[in-house]
Amino acid sequence: SQQGEEDPQALSIQEGENATMNCSYKTSINNLQWYRQNSGRGLVHLILIRSNEREKHSGRLRVTLDTSKKSSSLLITASRAADTASYFCATDDEGGSEKLVFGKGTKLTVNP
Amino acid sequence: DVKVTQSSRYLVKRTGEKVFLECVQDMDHENMFWYRQDPGLGLRLIYFSYDVKMKEKGDIPEGYSVSREKKERFSLILESASTNQTSMYLCASNPGTGWEKLFFGSGTQLSVL
Repeated sequence: SQQGEEDPQALSIQEGENATMNCSYKTSINNLQWYRQNSGRGLVHLILIRSNEREKHSGRLRVTLDTSKKSSSLLITASRAADTASYFCATDDEGGSEKLVFGKGTKLTVNP
Repeated sequence: DVKVTQSSRYLVKRTGEKVFLECVQDMDHENMFWYRQDPGLGLRLIYFSYDVKMKEKGDIPEGYSVSREKKERFSLILESASTNQTSMYLCASNPGTGWEKLFFGSGTQLSVL
């Protein structure tokens, strides 16, 4: 079962612009995480936001969480060509087990 | 840094073969996971393990089995490989204290011909 769904599926921007990706989920969560995947490689954890937090920052990343709308957004500011990757949100399973459930991802292309 | 190592980056096997995908982590993590990733479908959980010799089915366990004889090693077994098991396989681990971030290996791209 997939809990998170990212939007848009693909995003193409110019270097220096901001990139915003959204994630919607269906049931109550304990936390929501964002991961990045370079082409053909494993995923790398970017940031975790807990259900009692509304916003979190890490470098050029800003994550927001709206539990009333069951949605989250990832903002990458001043994007660089090296930010080109797929981005996934992940939430804990609605059954309460310790497994994470991933969405299908947003493919971001940053053009130099 | 945590290191999760998958034994093969690319693997080509024939239909009907028994296939072993190996994953080793070096941080004494309790939880280990196997996902497969397919275009348009994202990551789907096959199996996970929260302790040695313990395992739980994920969302798509059919056609797969797992083995965790030692804490650091989690193996995914395709009993009789089929072409629809051609996919990217990703191993991950975490300390196991509750919904913490996952550390992923680099993945194994398996082709079944």
